[in-house]
Amino acid sequence: QVQLQESGPGLVKPSQTLSLTCKVSGGSISTGTYYWTWIRQPAGKGLEWIGRVYTSGTTDYNPSLKSRVTISLDTSRNQFSLRLSYLTAADTAVYYCAREWGGSTWYNWFDPWGQGTPVTVSS
Amino acid sequence: DIQMTQSPSSLSASVGDRLTITCRASQSISSYVNWYQQKPGKAPEVLIYATSTLQGGVPSRFSGSGSGTDFSLTISSLQPEDIATYYCQQSYSPPLTFGGGTRVEIK
Repeated sequence: QVQLQESGPGLVKPSQTLSLTCKVSGGSISTGTYYWTWIRQPAGKGLEWIGRVYTSGTTDYNPSLKSRVTISLDTSRNQFSLRLSYLTAADTAVYYCAREWGGSTWYNWFDPWGQGTPVTVSS
Repeated sequence: DIQMTQSPSSLSASVGDRLTITCRASQSISSYVNWYQQKPGKAPEVLIYATSTLQGGVPSRFSGSGSGTDFSLTISSLQPEDIATYYCQQSYSPPLTFGGGTRVEIK
C-alpha cells in the first residue's frame, strides 16, 4: 500500500524559496503510469493544483504558478520535491502531495494523499 | 482553464436525508470528474472517480452521475460520519481544477 509523507519548513520568509519533499513508501516512484502531484489549500479555502511530475520526469504546472514552480523526482531516495520561489503571504497554505493515477482505466484521480504540511510565509 | 462551479457552498440536513451536490464545468469534460471528501484537519480522500465509480470501501449511499458539463454527487441517507466538505475535480485537462467545495452539516 503506497503511502506519502510531506516534509519541509513550517515557516519561510517572504521572497525566499520554499522546498518541500514527499517521501513515497510501499512503491517505486519511477515505475508505473503515475503522476506525482502537489496541491495546496489556504486555511478555510479550497484546493489548488500546483503541478505534477510523471514517472518519466516530464512535468505540468499550473499557469498561475508556472514561473515560480519546479517539481522533480529523486528516484534514488524514492521521493519527489516542490520548489516555489519568490514567496508572498498568499502562498501560506497546507501543502499536500498526492499520487494521480487511473489504474487500468482511461481516467485519473488523486489517491493516496499525504497528510499535508502547513507552510506560513511571514517575516 | 476549466472552471468547476460547485453548489451549494454549504448545506444543513438531518440524519437520513437525501442530499445532492452539483458541479458544473465551464466546458464539456465527458466523464472526467472525481469527487473527494475532506474531514476537518484531514487530507481529502477520493469517493468517486470517472463520474460514477465508487472507490473501494466507500459506502453505497454515495453515488455520482452526469456527463458533459453537469455532474452531481448524491448521499441517499445522510449519516453523522458524512459531516465533511466535498469537492469535485476535473481530470480532463491540465491545469486540473477543483470546485469551491460544499460544506455539509447536520441540522
